[in-house]
Amino acid sequence: GENVEQHPSTLSVQEGDSAVIKCTYSDSASNYFPWYKQELGKRPQLIIDIRSNVGEKKDQRIAVTLNKTAKHFSLHITETQPEDSAVYFCAAGRGGAGSYQLTFGKGTKLSVIP
Amino acid sequence: DGGITQSPKYLFRKEGQNVTLSCEQNLNHDAMYWYRQDPGQGLRLIYYSQIVNDFQKGDIAEGYSVSREKKESFPLTVTSAQKNPTAFYLCASRSKSSSPYGYTFGSGTRLTVV
Repeated sequence: GENVEQHPSTLSVQEGDSAVIKCTYSDSASNYFPWYKQELGKRPQLIIDIRSNVGEKKDQRIAVTLNKTAKHFSLHITETQPEDSAVYFCAAGRGGAGSYQLTFGKGTKLSVIP
Repeated sequence: DGGITQSPKYLFRKEGQNVTLSCEQNLNHDAMYWYRQDPGQGLRLIYYSQIVNDFQKGDIAEGYSVSREKKESFPLTVTSAQKNPTAFYLCASRSKSSSPYGYTFGSGTRLTVV
């Protein structure tokens, strides 16, 4: 099955700096890579995703890059703000519309220091 | 509450007792999932269902059971065979036909053994 490794497990940055979280996956058939943000005591929420036919995607201060050859993808957050503090999960998914599941990384706790 | 409702929010189980966690969605999603979240472990798949009256084991199904009698409902029973059930349980759903393929999560149930 799929295995997703996520690094680092914790990350502290100064407000305004950039944060980068990296994930690797094992199954070359995986074709969908979402990122979730989970604030303390709340549900994970999708913040950005990327398909395997795209190398990079941006949404305001958030970007995701994908290297299919190396089987890794990364989340980039620029101009970090205290409200970015949360646990971030990457995931890899495969399958068509009929049968689909995501495998998650273990999460990165991001702390943005004011 | 985002179209997918989990109840109760907090649940206490005595040793040897079975308990059932509720998950209901009104999103008309086909697939539903149960994940267990432990600190430092990320999200681990317990069971999933792609269609009514059908479900498959995930990575950590031992000590759990599910049913999918209605499209909207996917209850999870934590049986006495689950030796370490204290965790945060998340239900998710997904439409097989729409994009993005990301999950919608419920707000979770925190189960504690007393």
